[in-house]
Amino acid sequence: SQTIHQWPATLVQPVGSPLSLECTVEGTSNPNLYWYRQAAGRGLQLLFYSVGIGQISSEVPQNLSASRPQDRQFILSSKKLLLSDSGFYLCAWSVLGRGSRHNEQFFGPGTRLTVL
Amino acid sequence: KNQVEQSPQSLIILEGKNCTLQCNYTVSPFSNLRWYKQDTGRGPVSLTIMTFSENTKSNGRYTATLDADTKQSSLHITASQLSDSASYICVVSASQAGTALIFGKGTTLSVSS
Repeated sequence: SQTIHQWPATLVQPVGSPLSLECTVEGTSNPNLYWYRQAAGRGLQLLFYSVGIGQISSEVPQNLSASRPQDRQFILSSKKLLLSDSGFYLCAWSVLGRGSRHNEQFFGPGTRLTVL
Repeated sequence: KNQVEQSPQSLIILEGKNCTLQCNYTVSPFSNLRWYKQDTGRGPVSLTIMTFSENTKSNGRYTATLDADTKQSSLHITASQLSDSASYICVVSASQAGTALIFGKGTTLSVSS
């Protein structure tokens, strides 16, 4: 069966510090991978998605970047955190391809980031 | 503009009671609609999925309906339990590969004893 891991679970960082959140998927190959942010009282906002190693698409301009160094590893980074980067970060995966079954996304447990 | 609106924003009910959550969408083209349950501090988990031709889908005590003509969906929870306390998110997919998901802001349900 497929599983998705995120770490750390919680993180408190000062403004201006760097960030690295990691997401790994097990039990599947060539997944689509996604990073979302969920701010308090807001819906999920897609930040980045990737259809393959080294292929990253950004949905919104921001202070963050993403990388996919391996097929099942997705990393969210920042060089200098802002207060507005606080939120709940979710990684998700889906089966590569088209059709209604293929675009079901499976979410990880999330990382709660607080920037002080 | 593709949008998904959910109501109410929050809801408090007594254990054992039924409730209905609403989702209106303006997404085109339309591929499918999912309801997710998100426990506090956890990732969302899919409850149901409906395509254009389906107008009802059940998953235990959860029953989702879809009216593609009026672009409305509802999630009905029967005989609520304390464990139903969560945020329920309506997600609509446009007819594209997996990146084209439009998320509602969710309804926060609190079930009290």
